Amino acid sequence: GAVVSQHPSRVICKSGTSVKIECRSLDFQATTMFWYRQFPKKSLMLMATSNEGSKATYEQGVEKDKFLINHASLTLSTLTVTSAHPEDSSFYICSATNQGLAGRAVWPDTQYFGPGTRLTVL
Amino acid sequence: AQSVTQPDIHITVSEGASLELRCNYSYGATPYLFWYVQSPGQGLQLLLKYFSGDTLVQGIKGFEAEFKRSQSSFNLRKPSVHWSDAAEYFCAVGPKGGYNKLIFGAGTRLAVHP
Repeated sequence: GAVVSQHPSRVICKSGTSVKIECRSLDFQATTMFWYRQFPKKSLMLMATSNEGSKATYEQGVEKDKFLINHASLTLSTLTVTSAHPEDSSFYICSATNQGLAGRAVWPDTQYFGPGTRLTVL
Repeated sequence: AQSVTQPDIHITVSEGASLELRCNYSYGATPYLFWYVQSPGQGLQLLLKYFSGDTLVQGIKGFEAEFKRSQSSFNLRKPSVHWSDAAEYFCAVGPKGGYNKLIFGAGTRLAVHP
């Protein structure tokens, strides 16, 4: 239980294009999903928090118009990097949590992480 | 200010040796505490967590951690390390209940010598 998937695992795109990354909770309902960015050999930097059916809350310094987040269902959140540039190249990781609602093999108030997406912008 | 400190950036141990990874936190109240492990190019896997109760918690892969309120610490231990334990380990804290935005430490990279 508590499996979170991300797609794609790797993506290479040209500068100026947009890239969409999907994050899915496979066996539980994710009331909240988080998007992180991780630079090489660094810790995770929280970008935004999304709750199903509402607008995402972005951390200070994260451009909401550049990193579009949609959490349309209890099992899917998407991150779209718009007009990507080389400095957006990074490892993007999502996590999902089921707040206060113990589900099958899922602890509440615990974040379960996806495997990450490596984005390379040429 | 809320923060998590992992004092050891890099640790090398021999296979079969014991391991302790340190984690100290600064938080307004007793938070929820987590240890995650990340293999190269992978996401994070939950090793164990502390919410309340017994301060010694058992996790997966033979890991355990002890919460010490007086020291604001949550150190991770394993009695005998295996080569497959080589990875990056992150300590994280979050608020009790409800909205759980986590604060992560900088991570400790563990290398295991044969």
